[in-house]
Amino acid sequence: DQQVKQNSPSLSVQEGRISILNCDYTNSMFDYFLWYKKYPAEGPTFLISISSIKDKNEDGRFTVFLNKSAKHLSLHIVPSQPGDSAVYFCAASGSNYQLIWGAGTKLIIKP
Amino acid sequence: KAGVTQTPRYLIKTRGQQVTLSCSPISGHRSVSWYQQTPGQGLQFLFEYFSETQRNKGNFPGRFSGRQFSNSRSEMNVSTLELGDSALYLCASSSPGLAGRPRENTGELFFGEGSRLTVL
Repeated sequence: DQQVKQNSPSLSVQEGRISILNCDYTNSMFDYFLWYKKYPAEGPTFLISISSIKDKNEDGRFTVFLNKSAKHLSLHIVPSQPGDSAVYFCAASGSNYQLIWGAGTKLIIKP
Repeated sequence: KAGVTQTPRYLIKTRGQQVTLSCSPISGHRSVSWYQQTPGQGLQFLFEYFSETQRNKGNFPGRFSGRQFSNSRSEMNVSTLELGDSALYLCASSSPGLAGRPRENTGELFFGEGSRLTVL
């Protein structure tokens, strides 16, 4: 049973437009959420996080939104750039400290 | 400061063999986690070590084991390799919790580049 789901395996967006990556979770005890980005042949790198006490966290072009009632979070990238092409993973954490990861969404930014 | 270092980067084994992978965390990081990444499966958590003790364990068979040394370096071992063990194995380290954040390993993880294992 996947507790963290990224239902879109891939997403294609025009350069300069907004990219929206979605993530759903089932465990209401999760209270910390993170997004990581992964390029081929590299390990994932931390992008942005959000605590359950917030519903929005912004860092430059990246904004994460959390809707606790819907158990849904999304990552917005505005404007999208070619260097944003990568696989994006969302992860969630609860009281046992263990991060549960989604399967990832491959983002392709078209020039 | 130096990042997380994993060795070897690539290796090929045959079914039934065993393999040991090594991970050196960022200096000062005491928590080391291991993940398996396969296409379409995302990152599957193997286990986490903190101060030489296994603190968390994922749902992998006993063929997968690990340990952490006093210098925080960690190794993972897979015995009796199966074809399905072919994957990218990632190690991640994290820093101690900050004041007011008593829980560790809920923040930023720093990943190595991974060890690509192919089982023939």
